[in-house]
Amino acid sequence: AQKVTQAQTEISVVEKEDVTLDCVYETRDTTYYLFWYKQPPSGELVFLIRRNSFDEQNEISGRYSWNFQKSTSSFNFTITASQVVDSAVYFCALSGYNTDKLIFGTGTRLQVFP
Amino acid sequence: DTGVSQNPRHKITKRGQNVTFRCDPISEHNRLYWYRQTLGQGPEFLTYFQNEAQLEKSRLLSDRFSAERPKGSFSTLEIQRTEQGDSAMYLCASSLAGAPVDTQYFGPGTRLTVL
Repeated sequence: AQKVTQAQTEISVVEKEDVTLDCVYETRDTTYYLFWYKQPPSGELVFLIRRNSFDEQNEISGRYSWNFQKSTSSFNFTITASQVVDSAVYFCALSGYNTDKLIFGTGTRLQVFP
Repeated sequence: DTGVSQNPRHKITKRGQNVTFRCDPISEHNRLYWYRQTLGQGPEFLTYFQNEAQLEKSRLLSDRFSAERPKGSFSTLEIQRTEQGDSAMYLCASSLAGAPVDTQYFGPGTRLTVL
């Protein structure tokens, strides 16, 4: 069975701090895809990144970076120099080779205080 | 290029009533997905279509739920004889099958409250 675990329910930081959101996944598929989505208070899920299981290269996009480690089944997300606008619930998700449905974690609520 | 749209944004109904939600995907996307999200949880997959064909349904989709996608464009999700446990956010997403990056893009959701 596929499963995504986001152990951190809520994180609070002060603006400009760096913060890492953890994601651990379980799957028996050898080919799979990992995603991060952001859900601001407005409710709409915003796509941030997609990685496939064959590409373990870490990725950086502005203040965002992602660390994919197959050895520990983790796909962690770091926000550098956090801003108040980063306040949202962040979801990690997994899809397998033969299905496009997304399996989501329970999310991590990030609050960034000025 | 407009995003995924959903109507209505909010729906309040009494237990036992039927409700129908609509989703309009991104215009060139051939796949359309429905998810349900309850408070404090991640979205849970309900069903998805490729063009007109409904390819997968979750066990969460009881016989009171039915989804259609006539002509492979917009989709409707109907819930018959609503129960209080149906109260949730219903999310629609679309994607382009076969694209180099087959990523699901979500709409704003329809929040259902069953009294």
